Amino acid sequence: QEKVQQSPESLIVPEGAMSSLNCTFSNSASQSIWWYQQHPGKGPEALISIFSNGNKKEGRLTVYLNRASLHVSLHIRDSQPSDSAVYLCAVRSNYNVLYFGSGTKLTVEP
Amino acid sequence: EAAVTQSPRNKVAVTGGKVTLSCNQTNNHNNMYWYRQDTGHGLRLIHYSYGAGSTEKGDIPDGYKASRPSQENFSLILELATPSQTSVYFCASGTGDSDYTFGSGTRLLVI
Repeated sequence: QEKVQQSPESLIVPEGAMSSLNCTFSNSASQSIWWYQQHPGKGPEALISIFSNGNKKEGRLTVYLNRASLHVSLHIRDSQPSDSAVYLCAVRSNYNVLYFGSGTKLTVEP
Repeated sequence: EAAVTQSPRNKVAVTGGKVTLSCNQTNNHNNMYWYRQDTGHGLRLIHYSYGAGSTEKGDIPDGYKASRPSQENFSLILELATPSQTSVYFCASGTGDSDYTFGSGTRLLVI
């Protein structure tokens, strides 16, 4: 079973700022790492994934993975009020199951 | 449009009663999953399936059964519901290394 921990629990940033979310996991041999976004009353939706060490950029999102330190981070450039949501980090195990952290609640203030 | 549909959306059950949560997917995904989400615990895996006829135990299977009668359908069964099973339940489907598609959730209250 993977252990996934996220920090901070909540984050408040002004509109236009960079939002930075962190996640640590327990197994360096895990498969892909995923970030999901969840709005109130809705199911999670996948945002971005990464498998190899290094970084991956998609639009305003950048994710950094360091398997040696068991750490992955998500950075949202030019944060918008519509980005306000809970962000879930998830680690895929070798038998194709996703294990989730408890989430970071992001609030972007206009 | 490919989707995961859960029913019911909301459910109130009595302690000791039987509850069945249903999930249907039109994604043609082999794998399906049941999670529960509680404040402070994130999403916790209850049962999952690799295809019709198969079910596997997740991290918190006690008190729950699962049934996968077809590729499209995956049910979660609470034979004797307890107040501790009050939660929001999410079904998801996926395949290979693709992302999961989640349903909108079922909010269950056991009184």
